[in-house]
Amino acid sequence: QSALTQPASVSGSPGQSITISCTGTSSDVGGYNYVSWYQQHPGKAPKLMIYDVSNRPSGVSNRFSGSKSGNTASLTISGLQAEDEADYYCSSYTSSSIPYVFGTGTKVTVL
Amino acid sequence: EVQLVESGGGLVQPGRSLRLSCTASGFTFGDYAMSWVRQAPGKGLEWVGFIRSKAYGGTTEYAASVKGRFTISRDDSKSIAYLQMNSLKTEDTAVYYCTRIRVGRFDYWGQGTLVTVSS
Repeated sequence: QSALTQPASVSGSPGQSITISCTGTSSDVGGYNYVSWYQQHPGKAPKLMIYDVSNRPSGVSNRFSGSKSGNTASLTISGLQAEDEADYYCSSYTSSSIPYVFGTGTKVTVL
Repeated sequence: EVQLVESGGGLVQPGRSLRLSCTASGFTFGDYAMSWVRQAPGKGLEWVGFIRSKAYGGTTEYAASVKGRFTISRDDSKSIAYLQMNSLKTEDTAVYYCTRIRVGRFDYWGQGTLVTVSS
């Protein structure tokens, strides 16, 4: 099972919107609505930001939203803020030999 | 408040063993599957394995990279999940995170514990 594909880096200015893609296959992203997104600041543990493609846990800002089309899921951060600068990882349930797979990770830089 | 606290990390020689613990609080531990995820220095997240709740048989699943060497177990009476790591390799060097699983997502994470495999 290969990792899901994410862009290595995405950047934007404060106030702008950015979108991070997460591409898999019909065996993972395309086959299930169990896509989740995690934010990780340097030296910290990951934090769940989006689950089941587009749901936000309690306490997560509504500036974060998720969607999916075919085998590609997306995380959009609107009204970009300095505190959003972090690494972001997607994850999906899979029907392959292992039940979970993570994306390659995307570094978000706020210019 | 849900809390997961890992312990047991450290420096170990290749070929040796190490056992990590994850002590949980703030929720009914026995009702949830628990997972381990690792992150090598400067690298991305890698799912290691998980253990189902007793209601689902308490069975385990592992990544191919650790299958046959790592074993996950749980003690619901103590709210602790374990990761027994045998025949350690240098490529097992990573921060190991304990996570709680709800259907399709890792909803709470511990702070992580560093395992360094080196001679």
